[in-house]
Amino acid sequence: SAVISQKPSRDICQRGTSLTIQCQVDSQVTMMFWYRQQPGQSLTLIATANQGSEATYESGFVIDKFPISRPNLTFSTLTVSNMSPEDSSIYLCSVRRLAGGGTTDTQYFGPGTRLTVL
Amino acid sequence: AQTVTQSQPEMSVQEAETVTLSCTYDTSESDYYLFWYKQPPSRQMILVIRQEAYKQQNATENRFSVNFQKAAKSFSLKISDSQLGDAAMYFCAYRSAEAGGGADGLTFGKGTHLIIQP
Repeated sequence: SAVISQKPSRDICQRGTSLTIQCQVDSQVTMMFWYRQQPGQSLTLIATANQGSEATYESGFVIDKFPISRPNLTFSTLTVSNMSPEDSSIYLCSVRRLAGGGTTDTQYFGPGTRLTVL
Repeated sequence: AQTVTQSQPEMSVQEAETVTLSCTYDTSESDYYLFWYKQPPSRQMILVIRQEAYKQQNATENRFSVNFQKAAKSFSLKISDSQLGDAAMYFCAYRSAEAGGGADGLTFGKGTHLIIQP
């Protein structure tokens, strides 16, 4: 498996401000992902963050609103910019890693950051 | 684009009994991966079981097994000897086996809330 930590675990923010969420992995990984889970909903992929290249955003998500950094193979940040109440969600970091003795490729998730925007 | 459908918003089962959660998906690809994740109230996403589409044999993990019907695009999860700790949201997820172009992230269903009756 993978040990993934996120900071902060939760936050309450004011409309119009920005919040940066940090994701730290216990060992190097090539691919990191950011997901959003709106209240009572499923997970939606925001973007894929690879070290050394620009993040790839899914339809409906843009870099100006969700800038991502990936400075090395164990760390990434997601910023939620100019927040509105509609941004209230759980934001989850995820990595892909080989498991099963290197024969299977599985995706693991961090504990999530619960964001409330007032 | 791929879609994942979980038609059961909520399921209830007596402790020690067996329950099956349904999942169907739509894809034009021939090679892909399917997953079941569990999300307890702690909101941590926990991998339950994984299936490669090229494998005909159904995956099993202790009390958890799947019924993978590739032609029908069906991927159900069977939980045997249900325990109180199995109570959670269960999400079915799809991932393409093709690299790049946004195919690396997971597409999730809306989830099934599993209740275990003592």
